[in-house]
Amino acid sequence: EVQLLESGGGLGQPGGSLRISCAASGFTFRDYAMSWVRQAPGKGLEWVSTVTGSGGANIYYADSVKGRFTLSRDSSKNTLSLQMNNLRADDTAVYYCAQDRNSYGSGGIDSWGLGTLVTVSS
Amino acid sequence: DIRMTQSPSSLSASVGDRVTITCRASQGIGNYLAWFQQKPGKAPKSLIYAASRLQNGVPSRFSGSGSGTDFTLTISSLQPEDFATYYCQQYYIFPLTFGGGTNMEIK
Repeated sequence: EVQLLESGGGLGQPGGSLRISCAASGFTFRDYAMSWVRQAPGKGLEWVSTVTGSGGANIYYADSVKGRFTLSRDSSKNTLSLQMNNLRADDTAVYYCAQDRNSYGSGGIDSWGLGTLVTVSS
Repeated sequence: DIRMTQSPSSLSASVGDRVTITCRASQGIGNYLAWFQQKPGKAPKSLIYAASRLQNGVPSRFSGSGSGTDFTLTISSLQPEDFATYYCQQYYIFPLTFGGGTNMEIK
């Protein structure tokens, strides 16, 4: 059974940094593209970033986070991480880790984590 | 970026009703279209991918159709557990984009 467990959320300062992670299990992590999707309070879903799998080094970012967020994956630890720098109030959201159906990011999201809340406030 | 437009944004329906939600893409996306269900305070759940393929474990009362720019999600006979918010998403090209959601409420 696929399990995605996010961690690292919490309170961040405007202009500050946070790192959130996703521990994956139940599948061959390196073979699948992985993404972060976020949801601001009372709002809809917003795609944040995707990294391809199977040794591919393709990483894609939403314009709203490009240059501030960095996505990485560690296949030795089955972990996906999102380093969030220069935080803004509109980064406040629940961040969901998601597994794609293939390694290219073109299969659609198959599984979702439970989410971790990031709040940016002074 | 591809814009995904869902309609209606909300709807009221009764148990047993047949309901249809529409999703339109601003340009052709083939069948690279997924539908998700989300209940308050919970993570989204995958329902349909490739426009019409049912996720394992999803009841057969859910169905999807369409290709190109126009897509529909149909629930043939609403059950109490189906009242939720539904989102479409295109994964044809990055940036991936979601529709604004359809909030389904009990009439």
